[in-house]
Amino acid sequence: EEQLVESGGGLVKPGGSLRLSCAASGFNFSSYSMNWVRQAPGKGLEWVSSISITSNNIYYADSVKGRITISRDNAKNSLSLHMNSLRAEDTAVYYCARDWSCVAGSCKSYGMDVWGQGTTVTVSS
Amino acid sequence: EVVLTQSPATLSLSPGERATLSCRASQSVSSYLAWYQQKPGQAPRLLIYDASNRATGIPARFSGSGSGTDFTLTISSLEPEDFALYYCQQRSSWPRTFGQGTKVEIK
Repeated sequence: EEQLVESGGGLVKPGGSLRLSCAASGFNFSSYSMNWVRQAPGKGLEWVSSISITSNNIYYADSVKGRITISRDNAKNSLSLHMNSLRAEDTAVYYCARDWSCVAGSCKSYGMDVWGQGTTVTVSS
Repeated sequence: EVVLTQSPATLSLSPGERATLSCRASQSVSSYLAWYQQKPGQAPRLLIYDASNRATGIPARFSGSGSGTDFTLTISSLEPEDFALYYCQQRSSWPRTFGQGTKVEIK
C-alpha cells in the first residue's frame, strides 16, 4: 500500500522552531516530487512547499519563504520540513503529498494523488 | 499568483441529485487543474487531475471539464458519501494555489 506518514507536530511558542517529517512506503519515493500542504483550523488548503526528485528545484509559498526549508532523503524515503520563526498563523495541520512522477527522464503529474494523515502544529504562548 | 474562485460556497442537494461545482481562475491555467474531496478529519483525496482525468479508483459519477479559466466538477448522482468539501487546485504556475472550497451538504 502506498503510504505517507507525517510526524513531528506539536505545541511551540511564537518564534520557535519545529521539524516535520514524512515517511514514505509502498512506492518508489525517489521517483516522485513531493509537497507540503497545510490547513489552518476551519480554513481551506494552502500549498506550502514543493521539492523535485533530486532536490534541484524547490519552491515556497511567500507566506513561509525565508522561515521554512524543505528537504528530502531518497535513501531513507523521507521528506522533511524545517520551520523557524514560527508565528500564530502557522498553526495548522500539515500534510505531505505526492506529486510528479519521473521515470527514465520522462515526468508526468497525475495530481497530488497520495496524502498523509497530517500532523498538527500549534503555535501559541 | 493565480487566484481560484469556487462557486457556490455551499451547495444544498439531496441524494440522487446532480451536483455542479465551478472553479474560475484569474488567468489561464490551460488544463492543469485538479479537484479534491475532503471529509471532516480526513486528508484530501484526489478526484480529477488535468481538468478531466479521473484519478485511480474514483467512481464514474465524478467528472471534470473545462480549460483556460473556467472549470466544472460534476457529480452525476449524489451518493451519501459524496457530501463533503471540494477544492480545486492549479499546477500551471508557482505558487500552486487552491480554491477556497465548495461544501456539498444534504438538503
